[in-house]
Amino acid sequence: QKEVEQNSGPLSVPEGAIASLNCTYSDRGSQSFFWYRQYSGKSPELIMSIYSNGDKEDGRFTAQLNKASQYVSLLIRDSQPSDSATYLCAVGNNDMRFGAGTRLTVKP
Amino acid sequence: ETGVTQSPTHLIKTRGQQVTLRCSSQSGHNTVSWYQQALGQGPQFIFQYYREEENGRGNFPPRFSGLQFPNYSSELNVNALELDDSALYLCASRYRGNYGYTFGSGTRLTVV
Repeated sequence: QKEVEQNSGPLSVPEGAIASLNCTYSDRGSQSFFWYRQYSGKSPELIMSIYSNGDKEDGRFTAQLNKASQYVSLLIRDSQPSDSATYLCAVGNNDMRFGAGTRLTVKP
Repeated sequence: ETGVTQSPTHLIKTRGQQVTLRCSSQSGHNTVSWYQQALGQGPQFIFQYYREEENGRGNFPPRFSGLQFPNYSSELNVNALELDDSALYLCASRYRGNYGYTFGSGTRLTVV
């Protein structure tokens, strides 16, 4: 069974701080990694994809991948109250699997 | 506007009944996956279709089945509904080779 693990949280950070979200996965053969954001009552929305070891930056978001450690992370810089949501880590391509999500609250 | 439309939005069925959920993907999205999301949980992978053939399946029993049509629409069928099937069902589609999925807004199924 391919597993994706996330800290369930909740994670609370003050506005303007850096939020750090972590994910580990069990399938060493995985090649595709994603972060989705899900607001309460809404469907998941893709915010980052990463396929190679290292960092990938997009605006205030940075995804980090370490395949040797089977670890993916998402950093959100200058966190805003509008970033408050559940962040889902997803791994895989033809059978993309999700973690349980980490609930993030950004306090004004 | 996500480009992926699901119907119906909400549905109430009785245990033992059968249900069909529908998804309409945007043109060119030849890969579609279906997920089940229970309250407070991450989406659970049910299966994936590419060019009308199933090419990946999660840990769901055979009473969960699907179809994908040439017009980029798809269906999820669930037979012999159980109370535990109550969940949000999400359809997600993408262009093959473009790995980012776009999700529909989901169908909330309640089994009583």
